[in-house]
Amino acid sequence: SQQGEEDPQALSIQEGENATMNCSYKTSINNLQWYRQNSGRGLVHLILIRSNEREKHSGRLRVTLDTSKKSSSLLITASRAADTASYFCATVLLPGFQKLVFGTGTRLLVSP
Amino acid sequence: DVKVTQSSRYLVKRTGEKVFLECVQDMDHENMFWYRQDPGLGLRLIYFSYDVKMKEKGDIPEGYSVSREKKERFSLILESASTNQTSMYLCASSMISAANTGELFFGEGSRLTVL
Repeated sequence: SQQGEEDPQALSIQEGENATMNCSYKTSINNLQWYRQNSGRGLVHLILIRSNEREKHSGRLRVTLDTSKKSSSLLITASRAADTASYFCATVLLPGFQKLVFGTGTRLLVSP
Repeated sequence: DVKVTQSSRYLVKRTGEKVFLECVQDMDHENMFWYRQDPGLGLRLIYFSYDVKMKEKGDIPEGYSVSREKKERFSLILESASTNQTSMYLCASSMISAANTGELFFGEGSRLTVL
């Protein structure tokens, strides 16, 4: 079963613009993670935010978490063509085992 | 540099064949996972393992089995491949940590086509 739903499914922007992707989930979580996938490749971990955190930064990435709304957003600032990829949110559920449940992803296209 | 290696990037098999997908990690991680990825469906968990010789069913285990004889190696087996198992298969590993973050390290994927 899918825990997360990303929105939008696809996003097309110009280099230099900001890209915002949203993720909604259904049940209580331990943490939420964002991953990136280049076409035809494996996923790479980008950033993790714990359930007791509201915002986190890493370079050009900013993640927010609203546990009351069961939602998260990933902001990529000053995007580059190399940011073109699919982005997935994944949640670690409570309680118990460290099994991640993934959303369906947002496809980001950044044009030069 | 940490690494999860999947033995085959691309495979083409015929219906009814037995298929082995191999995954090796060099990070001494306890947990290993097999996901399949299909357009519009995201990643779905097939099986996972939290220790040698231990395995747990994920969300879609039907038609698959797994083997974990050594800590570093986790194999996915399709006993009799069918066309609806055409997909991208992703192996991942993670460590057991007190922080319980569950961060995954992925292999490059194995794209399987069943004819």
